Amino acid sequence: GAGVSQSPSNKVTEKGKDVELRCDPISGHTALYWYRQSLGQGLEFLIYFQGNSAPDKSGLPSDRFSAERTGGSVSTLTIQRTQQEDSAVYLCASSPIAGGQNEQFFGPGTRLTVL
Amino acid sequence: GDSVTQMEGPVTLSEEAFLTINCTYTATGYPSLFWYVQYPGEGLQLLLKATKADDKGSNKGFEATYRKETTSFHLEKGSVQVSDSAVYFCALHSSYKLIFGSGTRLLVRP
Repeated sequence: GAGVSQSPSNKVTEKGKDVELRCDPISGHTALYWYRQSLGQGLEFLIYFQGNSAPDKSGLPSDRFSAERTGGSVSTLTIQRTQQEDSAVYLCASSPIAGGQNEQFFGPGTRLTVL
Repeated sequence: GDSVTQMEGPVTLSEEAFLTINCTYTATGYPSLFWYVQYPGEGLQLLLKATKADDKGSNKGFEATYRKETTSFHLEKGSVQVSDSAVYFCALHSSYKLIFGSGTRLLVRP
């Protein structure tokens, strides 16, 4: 079956512009996660959804970052007024439910470059 | 807070050599532990996992044992192949999210 998909695969934007990154989880997976992979910070957690609600937004680096999930499926991560330090690969993952033993399946990522 | 420490790379080995990548963790309780692998140009994929103390996870010739006494989850393989060249991430599960180590790049030469 289809895995986690993300779009766009690459995004180049100018400093100060807003960007939207999209994630389509595996069908039927109720838990969805966003991570960021950057050279200086490694792989870091941003936010997770159980259904449409986000119990843990603790990893969002600033109020310029927001995310939503609709219909228990697609999620959008929005970064407003992008800065150069936002340049990274943004990874989305999903799992059947949120929980310690459940594997998280990762998408290919969106590479964001802020000029 | 919870954290994962893994050995820095890159690790360069000849084909058929023995591999160990060290991973230690700090956590409250006994979290599930994972090794993820990222092959060149590909996304993260689960390599193996262990959900409780003394469990051994294994896959594709790789093994790791959950050691609560030493809070470790070292990755081993008896004979590496060129195709194992990748970045390996140790991770633990904490409050519904994964906390990753910094990653170890493995390069296997023919």
